[in-house]
Amino acid sequence: NAGVTQTPKFQVLKTGQSMTLQCAQDMNHNSMYWYRQDPGMGLRLIYYSASEGTTDKGEVPNGYNVSRLNKREFSLRLESAAPSQTSVYFCASRDRVTNEQFFGPGTRLTVL
Amino acid sequence: TQLLEQSPQFLSIQEGENLTVYCNSSSVFSSLQWYRQEPGEGPVLLVTVVTGGEVKKLKRLTFQFGDARKDSSLHITAAQTGDTGLYLCAGAGDDKIIFGKGTRLHILP
Repeated sequence: NAGVTQTPKFQVLKTGQSMTLQCAQDMNHNSMYWYRQDPGMGLRLIYYSASEGTTDKGEVPNGYNVSRLNKREFSLRLESAAPSQTSVYFCASRDRVTNEQFFGPGTRLTVL
Repeated sequence: TQLLEQSPQFLSIQEGENLTVYCNSSSVFSSLQWYRQEPGEGPVLLVTVVTGGEVKKLKRLTFQFGDARKDSSLHITAAQTGDTGLYLCAGAGDDKIIFGKGTRLHILP
């Protein structure tokens, strides 16, 4: 039982490059989330998926796209990376009975 | 727009002292949560409070939910160096969970 897994753990991109951050959960949760965390800013919601087949924008969706591939997997794509997207990205899934969110270990992304 | 305001942003105190951190909102949430985050890891849930006026205790940590369900506090009694970390409050709605900016707590030996 791995919980929430994220790949990669670290990534360095050049401005304009694209990449996809992968996330998977094995807890059979319907809801999944992508956050970014910057110093002094807490966790800001990028996109979320309340259930398989649905996605919605969060607080800071510009420059990102998401895909809810199936119930387990929720990916985040940067089509043309910008230095402002340098951050730590966390994926989470939510137990709708307890409302507890379970977080992955994060992806540290640097855009040069 | 952040809907949850946490204070203080930083707190550094000596081991053995007591402290309180606050989480205030202009919105009503169905529940408020407190998470703790260690460096290099994701946040981990400490407690969820649901009912206005509710008080929950977790060893030396006491969590309170305001009567109007808009604010919450976390009180730590006799802080220990192991309490050092980032404490985040979060408001849970039907679909989204919104986080405050966090209180970075440093307990000095």
